[in-house]
Amino acid sequence: NAGVTQTPKFQVLKTGQSMTLQCAQDMNHEYMSWYRQDPGMGLRLIHYSVGAGITDQGEVPNGYNVSRSTTEDFPLRLLSAAPSQTSVYFCASSSPWEPAGYGYTFGSGTRLTVV
Amino acid sequence: TQLLEQSPQFLSIQEGENLTVYCNSSSVFSSLQWYRQEPGEGPVLLVTVVTGGEVKKLKRLTFQFGDARKDSSLHITAAQPGDTGLYLCAFRGGSNYKLTFGKGTLLTVNP
Repeated sequence: NAGVTQTPKFQVLKTGQSMTLQCAQDMNHEYMSWYRQDPGMGLRLIHYSVGAGITDQGEVPNGYNVSRSTTEDFPLRLLSAAPSQTSVYFCASSSPWEPAGYGYTFGSGTRLTVV
Repeated sequence: TQLLEQSPQFLSIQEGENLTVYCNSSSVFSSLQWYRQEPGEGPVLLVTVVTGGEVKKLKRLTFQFGDARKDSSLHITAAQPGDTGLYLCAFRGGSNYKLTFGKGTLLTVNP
């Protein structure tokens, strides 16, 4: 099925380790974004991209890096994991060329625990 | 500052009851979106409201956009256990397409 694929679904890291959360979409969407979801805090935007080669910071970018070399892929890198990065991470994509009513498609998430 | 305030934060009801959840702001929006998120999954778009005063129906769900386009409500008639989930309202930025969410209403419908 077409959509947004996130891997891995679960991950446990030790403090200071680095890792990359993978996100791929097959809908030819230009816009992709990463959110983290924490209890009581809702979904907060980490980084986003409006097309290949173009990325920008969201609300909570510190400690994370992104790159967008292709339309399909938008990996999120944790440079040096900290317990505060324990969260559920969602990748989402959308087409900016559709009208305002066009929704975002979300992946099923990566649950990350940093110990 | 939270641009979108959702209330109530939690709601637990019995099957068959009606309920309304709210999404309020002091800002004016060109449109608002409602998503539902089930446990272990990402949010899924339910509807977008665009015109002030607009009412949209999706089976037992009725969405309304306030006349001033600052608030929206979601009414569920005869709730079912399958309606259980986190209901999120969100607005999409104009020039950068960023999607900003409220904190959501966590609905539990007990059989």
